[in-house]
Amino acid sequence: AQSVTQLGSHVSVSEGALVLLRCNYSSSVPPYLFWYVQYPNQGLQLLLKYTSAATLVKGINGFEAEFKKSETSFHLTKPSAHMSDAAEYFCAVSAETSYDKVIFGPGTSLSVIP
Amino acid sequence: DTEVTQTPKHLVMGMTNKKSLKCEQHMGHRAMYWYKQKAKKPPELMFVYSYEKLSINESVPSRFSPECPNSSLLNLHLHALQPEDSALYLCASSAGTSGRTDTQYFGPGTRLTVL
Repeated sequence: AQSVTQLGSHVSVSEGALVLLRCNYSSSVPPYLFWYVQYPNQGLQLLLKYTSAATLVKGINGFEAEFKKSETSFHLTKPSAHMSDAAEYFCAVSAETSYDKVIFGPGTSLSVIP
Repeated sequence: DTEVTQTPKHLVMGMTNKKSLKCEQHMGHRAMYWYKQKAKKPPELMFVYSYEKLSINESVPSRFSPECPNSSLLNLHLHALQPEDSALYLCASSAGTSGRTDTQYFGPGTRLTVL
């Protein structure tokens, strides 16, 4: 069965430090992968997605993610954290058998310390 | 315009009330979704409408009743809810044309409290 795991339910970084949020997936078909961000009291917003065109994907707000098939990973990074990056981050994979469904990971809450 | 709007922003209702949540998009998207999200948890899919037909129902209790009057509108009718139904209800839409790579665009949600 498909699944998404996110190591670390809560990550704290200092302002200006590297952000690394981990995502691993399992899928029996070529995966399509997404990172969404949710700011407090808001809906989810797409940061970036992998659709097999390139393994290094650049997204909005300076975030990027690298698809590594051998490691079944799609980790999210940002070179320098801003206070405004504090939010909940969800990794997701498209469902194998349904075009209209994604499987979300449990989420990682990012705190940025001034 | 990549906006999905939801009304109301907040809703408080008793267990005997009937209320409706509304969602609207004008992006020409043909797939629309209802999710339920509890605090500190990922969204849980409830229903999907594809080309105005219900395509996915994730075994949601019948006290939740979705409706898609046209391709731009999605409603969620609520009746006889329980306190454990209190949550953030998110609407989303996607083009419905790119298959598994479609991006879902989310609205800001309706915060529902059931007393």
